[in-house]
Amino acid sequence: DTEVTQTPKHLVMGMTNKKSLKCEQHMGHRAMYWYKQKAKKPPELMFVYSYEKLSINESVPSRFSPECPNSSLLNLHLHALQPEDSALYLCASSPRLAGESDTQYFGPGTRLTVL
Amino acid sequence: KNQVEQSPQSLIILEGKNCTLQCNYTVSPFSNLRWYKQDTGRGPVSLTIMTFSENTKSNGRYTATLDADTKQSSLHITASQLSDSASYICVVSAGQAGTALIFGKGTTLSVSS
Repeated sequence: DTEVTQTPKHLVMGMTNKKSLKCEQHMGHRAMYWYKQKAKKPPELMFVYSYEKLSINESVPSRFSPECPNSSLLNLHLHALQPEDSALYLCASSPRLAGESDTQYFGPGTRLTVL
Repeated sequence: KNQVEQSPQSLIILEGKNCTLQCNYTVSPFSNLRWYKQDTGRGPVSLTIMTFSENTKSNGRYTATLDADTKQSSLHITASQLSDSASYICVVSAGQAGTALIFGKGTTLSVSS
């Protein structure tokens, strides 16, 4: 299994809603990542987990809350988002934390729309 | 400042033709360089990854080159197909642990029949 899966594929939420994005991989990777991507822009790194511990937080607003309950799962909890948070949210994993020859495998993304 | 510049920004070619995409970077210390293909609305898919000591790597009809002296990379696509229409992103990994990923803005390739 060389796949990163993400659910849901699409999500529409209001500014007062609480929702969660889910990411799963069964490749035994110990580094997992959340990216945000706006249209026609490259992905922007949000969070990095290494061995289930938060390693990097790129100054992301607290309305985004990541969680890594085990080595295969990565969640992104959303609360009180703004319309400008609408984007494609990508999850990725790699064997280690961006090692010299480690490729990041990306999931298909969750298309989030905040009304 | 660590930067990755890609050119051209967009490219239109006829099916069956070859094309070359460019990536110039100013990233230090350099760890590796990756090329990804991203279809609209989907996650990026890795095409190649090259470390400092590698200067060419192929993946089917895709061939990437790396010149670490001039800090340039290219992605050559041979005998293009309609399915090659996508955004191609150059990503340079920086730092001793390669934890900082610097993304280029991508080249949008359109292959027409």
